[in-house]
Amino acid sequence: DAGITQSPRHKVTETGTPVTLRCHQTENHRYMYWYRQDPGHGLRLIHYSYGVKDTDKGEVSDGYSVSRSKTEDFLLTLESATSSQTSVYFCAISGGNTIYFGEGSWLTVV
Amino acid sequence: KNEVEQSPQNLTAQEGEFITINCSYSVGISALHWLQQHPGGGIVSLFMLSSGKKKHGRLIATINIQEKHSSLHITASHPRDSAVYICAALVGNQFYFGTGTSLTVIP
Repeated sequence: DAGITQSPRHKVTETGTPVTLRCHQTENHRYMYWYRQDPGHGLRLIHYSYGVKDTDKGEVSDGYSVSRSKTEDFLLTLESATSSQTSVYFCAISGGNTIYFGEGSWLTVV
Repeated sequence: KNEVEQSPQNLTAQEGEFITINCSYSVGISALHWLQQHPGGGIVSLFMLSSGKKKHGRLIATINIQEKHSSLHITASHPRDSAVYICAALVGNQFYFGTGTSLTVIP
């Protein structure tokens, strides 16, 4: 199994509060991704990173920011959480043609 | 516009049946993954294909690059195969996902 962990795994937060999800890898893979998974939509890309301090937006990036200050860590921040951001968030890493997913972070915004 | 289309969306089978899930894509790919997700669980890659056919136990994955089509077959299906199966196309360093096929295998 690839070394990729997400934290927290479950979180309930209030509307308007900031939330940060962390993805940590031990594989030294260059590419890291944050996806959200919602019923009827499948996996949608929020942001991705192709190296330290190198990030780019995905199709559903509004309301989210990311940072990658070290190869192993990719942080996803909801600047001011809204109920529409209630979802399951998956981090993924990729090297060559492979992809490995974290276990997911269940976020509920109330 | 979906770059990756899967069918069927939902599938119910009796234990022991042969199952096929299809994936069509409209982009040029480097590789194609078949992913499995159990309820409430994480996502794992079952196969990575760039050509031909791969087999792992009762699972077989095929890809036809010219027709831009891939299939996942499960032989002698079992209730533990119940999961969502997702097709993912790798284009450059981006993945494009199908919306998944929810499979239920009834004992």
